[in-house]
This record gives sequence, C-alpha cells and structure tokens, in this order.
Amino acid sequence: SQKIEQNSEALNIQEGKTATLTCNYTNYSPAYLQWYRQDPGRGPVFLLLIRENEKEKRKERLKVTFDTTLKQSLFHITASQPADSATYLCALDDSKTSYDKVIFGPGTSLSVIP
Amino acid sequence: GAGVSQTPSNKVTEKGKYVELRCDPISGHTALYWYRQSLGQGPEFLIYFQGTGAADDSGLPNDRFFAVRPEGSVSTLKIQRTERGDSAVYLCASSLQGGANTGELFFGEGSRLTVL
Repeated sequence: SQKIEQNSEALNIQEGKTATLTCNYTNYSPAYLQWYRQDPGRGPVFLLLIRENEKEKRKERLKVTFDTTLKQSLFHITASQPADSATYLCALDDSKTSYDKVIFGPGTSLSVIP
Repeated sequence: GAGVSQTPSNKVTEKGKYVELRCDPISGHTALYWYRQSLGQGPEFLIYFQGTGAADDSGLPNDRFFAVRPEGSVSTLKIQRTERGDSAVYLCASSLQGGANTGELFFGEGSRLTVL
C-alpha cells in the first residue's frame, strides 16, 4: 500500500543546533516533494519544493535533500531558533498514477528549546 | 485580501444536518484542493479541481460528500447527513497552475466543523 512516514516522535532540540526531519515514502513515484510548516490553528505554509532530478535545495537556513533511490527526503533547519517551533509536513505528488493529487505526510512536531 | 479565504471559520451542527463550506481561492489560480485534517494528523486529500472540473475526487470518503466549482473560482464543499466522524478542520488550497507544473499550494485557515 502507499504510505508517507515522518519522524514518529516529536523532535526537541536546543536552540542553535541543526534540526533534521525525515520523510520516507512507499509505493509512490513523485515528480517532486514539498515541505510545509504548520502552526497551531493555522493552514500549512509552503517552504520548499524539490524535483526528482534535484539532489539538494537550499533557502536561507533551510536545506532539503531528495533521494529517489532511498525514497527519502531530509529537511534540515540550521541554527534553529525557538520561532522555528511548529509542525513540519512533507507532501508529494501522486501524478504518475493520479494526476495532480498532492498527498501529505502525518507531520513532525518540532520544539526548539531556548 | 490576497490570500485563500474560507468561510465559516467555525461551524457547529447536529448529527444528520447538511453543511456547506466555502473556499475563495487566490485570483487567477486554476487549481483548487480540499483537504480534511484531524487533530495530530496531516491533511487528508479529498478532491482536486482544475478549472471548473473535478480532476480527481478519489479522496471523498463517501457519497455524502460533494464539491463544486461552477465558475472556476469559488468552491463549495457540501456534506449531507453529517456524522460525528465528520468533525475535523477542512482546509482549502489553491495553486497557480496544477498539472505537471504544480508548485506551492496556498492554504486558507480552514473551516473547523464540529458535529454534535
């Protein structure tokens, strides 16, 4: 069956450290993968998109990798700050089987401790 | 405003009643998505529109759920004979193009539905 998995436990890290979040998928062949941030009571907000032919993408303190062999994406936040505390969602397209369906993972809750 | 607008922000209804949730996407966005999110879970895909047509409605849980987008802009999600299990936050998102060029989704703040 098709599945998207993210870190099963909430992640607590010290301010200033690098947070690494994992997204693994099974039985999808995504053309791209996206990462979103969601704060309590709010809608998700887009952060980064990486395509299947890209290995790595960076934006300010954020870095995303995409390994289609391992079927995994890693999301890094360097020099983390308490303001980075939120739930992070990965999402991928199912467009090779169902046109333009964007499917989300369960999310990982990140807490950055001052 | 320039963002995705969803109304109502909160809806409390009784089991068996009919509910409509409205989404006003960003002007010019041709792709529109509906998701359902329960506490502690990721958004669950319901339906995707490209223009006026439902390109993929495979996520609608059963025939009590229906969505329309008659003029290719505003969309309404309709739920008949509501059940307590329908309680969730219903999220709408729009995207500039969709298709192989789908980029970021812009989400509204959601409509929280509570079925008593």
